[in-house]
Amino acid sequence: DTGVSQNPRHKITKRGQNVTFRCDPISEHNRLYWYRQTLGQGPEFLTYFQNEAQLEKSRLLSDRFSAERPKGSFSTLEIQRTEQGDSAMYLCASLPGGPRSYNEQFFGPGTRLTVL
Amino acid sequence: AQSVTQPDIHITVSEGASLELRCNYSYGATPYLFWYVQSPGQGLQLLLKYFSGDTLVQGIKGFEAEFKRSQSSFNLRKPSVHWSDAAEYFCAVGGNQFYFGTGTSLTVIP
Repeated sequence: DTGVSQNPRHKITKRGQNVTFRCDPISEHNRLYWYRQTLGQGPEFLTYFQNEAQLEKSRLLSDRFSAERPKGSFSTLEIQRTEQGDSAMYLCASLPGGPRSYNEQFFGPGTRLTVL
Repeated sequence: AQSVTQPDIHITVSEGASLELRCNYSYGATPYLFWYVQSPGQGLQLLLKYFSGDTLVQGIKGFEAEFKRSQSSFNLRKPSVHWSDAAEYFCAVGGNQFYFGTGTSLTVIP
């Protein structure tokens, strides 16, 4: 257990529905990352936050994807109008930030999304 | 463009044998390099990291990796593999954004 939690762990939804995932990072970590991992692939960077500021979102897969971190603590990833191709594991990671963090990310267990 | 290549999709080794997993990267600046392990149903766990200094870095579970700037490589090694090392291994590079390879699946036979 890294201290990063994600909920739900599994989500099954029908095509066209909206889904939202939550990530709770380690409390003192100010950077938070979202990744997508499909079968047989490595994690694919989606977006990241420094506190509440979203510093990179151009790699979000489409405009159906959005992420928030309103108070600089937990974050949510929303997928609107889900498609079968969205089926994947969605990973969250946090890291302390700052010069002594060495960019070491701590990963959560992931949320597995299945779109029927 | 930043990228990571892990040329070996799957490797099988006998328990007690040595192991080397290859990783090549492309990165515009001084790279921060990482190796992660992922067991079935488990999250990603950091094995080791390189930022600067000594090019041979030691990690957990008896793993080590060597950074070779001239070859843009960061290969992972272990002198003697244990059955519990069977897992998926990912090499990653990055600073603010991180790029992962496609992974190498390790099978350990008794």
